[in-house]
Amino acid sequence: EIQLVQSGAEMKKPGESLKISCKASGYTFTYKWIGWVRQMPGKGLEWMGIIYPRDSDTRYSPSFQGHVTLSADMSVETAYLQWSNLKASDSAVYYCVVSGGNWFEMWGQGTLVTVSS
Amino acid sequence: DIVMTQSPDSLAVSLGEWATINCKSSQSLLHGSKNQNYLAWYRQKPGQPPEVLIYWASDRESGVPDRFRGSGSGTDFTLTISSLQAEDVAVYYCQQYLTTPQTFGQGTKLEIK
Repeated sequence: EIQLVQSGAEMKKPGESLKISCKASGYTFTYKWIGWVRQMPGKGLEWMGIIYPRDSDTRYSPSFQGHVTLSADMSVETAYLQWSNLKASDSAVYYCVVSGGNWFEMWGQGTLVTVSS
Repeated sequence: DIVMTQSPDSLAVSLGEWATINCKSSQSLLHGSKNQNYLAWYRQKPGQPPEVLIYWASDRESGVPDRFRGSGSGTDFTLTISSLQAEDVAVYYCQQYLTTPQTFGQGTKLEIK
């Protein structure tokens, strides 16, 4: 059974950096895409980007390109989402998702990120 | 980007009745050579992450009751939930995965009348 376990909630200040994680299990990590989806408070789902761990092929939404970085470490079967300069508008729940190249087969439990001075 | 538009934004249905949610894409999601519609439906129950219900527009995910039916092709799609149960209270999203960035509809909130 595919499982995605995300790191815990974070509270940060504007301008700080952050890296959240998503530990995968139950499938061959290198052969599925892992993506990230943002859900701002009370709002819908936004596709941020996706990475193929085997060759690090990464696709970003233009809305998030340049503001976040996706990465994956095959040795620990973990994907990461990171910011170098957080803004208050980054406050949201972030879900990691796994895909065979099409729909999202499984979602992580979500990581709440709060950015406030 | 492909724009996904759902209707209605919310609806209230009595237990045991039908609910119908529509999703329209700004361009066709039918991949000609594969003859598949690149459209999925997700359900997000309160306080939980979303979960996939339907993919390829009409294929049910394993374990999803047959009360959930996806239909449509090209640019117009429908999720129909028959014999509504209390556990179906959720927000439902459609998603296109034909091109990146993949995009979601704005969501439809389903409540019990």
